[in-house]
Amino acid sequence: EAQVTQNPRYLITVTGKKLTVTCSQNMNHEYMSWYRQDPGLGLRQIYYSMNVEVTDKGDVPEGYKVSRKEKRNFPLILESPSPNQTSLYFCASSFGTGFYEQYFGPGTRLTVT
Amino acid sequence: DQQVKQNSPSLSVQEGRISILNCDYTNSMFDYFLWYKKYPAEGPTFLISISSIKDKNEDGRFTVFLNKSAKHLSLHIVPSQPGDSAVYFCAASVWSNTGKLIFGQGTTLQVKP
Repeated sequence: EAQVTQNPRYLITVTGKKLTVTCSQNMNHEYMSWYRQDPGLGLRQIYYSMNVEVTDKGDVPEGYKVSRKEKRNFPLILESPSPNQTSLYFCASSFGTGFYEQYFGPGTRLTVT
Repeated sequence: DQQVKQNSPSLSVQEGRISILNCDYTNSMFDYFLWYKKYPAEGPTFLISISSIKDKNEDGRFTVFLNKSAKHLSLHIVPSQPGDSAVYFCAASVWSNTGKLIFGQGTTLQVKP
C-alpha cells in the first residue's frame, strides 16, 4: 500500500529535550516536505527536499532541522524544543512540485511543556 | 504576510445543495492551485487542482474556478453530501519555484443531512 508514515503519532516532551519525528514514504517520490498546522493559520511549510541531500527552508524553518540521506526518509529534528513548537505536524511526499499532488502522512501531535 | 487567504473559517450547507468555498491570493506568480480535504485525525488528501492557464477544472461533483484578474479561486461541490464535511485547504505554488507550497487557513465545511 502506497503511504507516508510518521512516528511517533503523539509526543509530549519538555522544553529543551531534543527530539526527532520520522517520516518515510514507499512511493519512490523525489519531493518531501514538512508542515505544521495551527488553529487559524492553516498549514505552514517548515522545510522541503527536492531530492536526496537537497533541502531548503519553507516559511517557518526556525527551530527545526531536516536531513535527506535516503530518498524514502525525511526526519524532522527539533534540537531544543520550545512551547511555541506545540503543534500538529504533517510530512508529505510527491513526484514533484507544482501540480503534483502531495501525499500526506497521518500527522504527529507534539506538545512541548 | 498571508499570500493565500480563505476568509471564511466555516460554512454550513444542506445536503444536496451547492457548497462554495473561496480562496484569494496575492502573488501573481502562482501558476498552480490545489485543493485538499482534511478529516479529523487524518492527513490532508488531494482533491482537485487547476493550472493558471485554465479557468475551470471539473472532477465529478467538484469544480474549481480560477479568476486570475481577481486573484480568486473557488471550489464548488454539487451536490453536497454529509461525507463532504471536512476542512478544505486551498494551496498555491509557482512551477518554477524550488518547491514551496503555500496553504490557506482552511474552511470547515459542514453538510447537514
